Amino acid sequence: GQQLNQSPQSMFIQEGEDVSMNCTSSSIFNTWLWYKQDPGEGPVLLIALYKAGELTSNGRLTAQFGITRKDSFLNISASIPSDVGIYFCAGQPTYNFNKFYFGSGTKLNVKP
Amino acid sequence: DTAVSQTPKYLVTQMGNDKSIKCEQNLGHDTMYWYKQDSKKFLKIMFSYNNKELIINETVPNRFSPKSPDKAHLNLHINSLELGDSAVYFCASSPPRSGGGDTQYFGPGTRLTVL
Repeated sequence: GQQLNQSPQSMFIQEGEDVSMNCTSSSIFNTWLWYKQDPGEGPVLLIALYKAGELTSNGRLTAQFGITRKDSFLNISASIPSDVGIYFCAGQPTYNFNKFYFGSGTKLNVKP
Repeated sequence: DTAVSQTPKYLVTQMGNDKSIKCEQNLGHDTMYWYKQDSKKFLKIMFSYNNKELIINETVPNRFSPKSPDKAHLNLHINSLELGDSAVYFCASSPPRSGGGDTQYFGPGTRLTVL
């Protein structure tokens, strides 16, 4: 099946630092989604991207849909302790609108 | 104002038992999904229904049987539970767009533990 490579697997940063994570796929995607999952909760949608090159912000979060349509990145600026969690990318391939494939997640730890 | 809800939140049961998980969404979406999240947090799609019709059925043992009585509900029944079924099961839903969803909203998850 489709594989999404998400990196890094985990990050340990100091409060106030900026963070960057990315996802790459072997197929062209129509849609990229970024989620955050807190312990014991379901993933919460942060940002949705629909066009190649699109850059979208949600507060301190910014995500981009790669021009090749095979990658996406998420940046978090000025991190705070409540940013701690697991961040997932998800993509919807052109060959199947009904499916979303998920990356393996980036676990973010923020030290106050 | 719950969007996607699941019951129960926790389910602990013995091997060999049969159990069901229920999901409801009040978003008016047409498409609903079941995902399994393993201990390494990997999210894998199991099933998808669009307007009560099965559209995705991944390689899932036939002990798992989804049922969609209407487009707002998608239940998951699991027969003869095995230890490897222990995981967190998430329900999700998507609004319609070009025959499929372009966003997904997740429920809070059901943590299934098989002893």
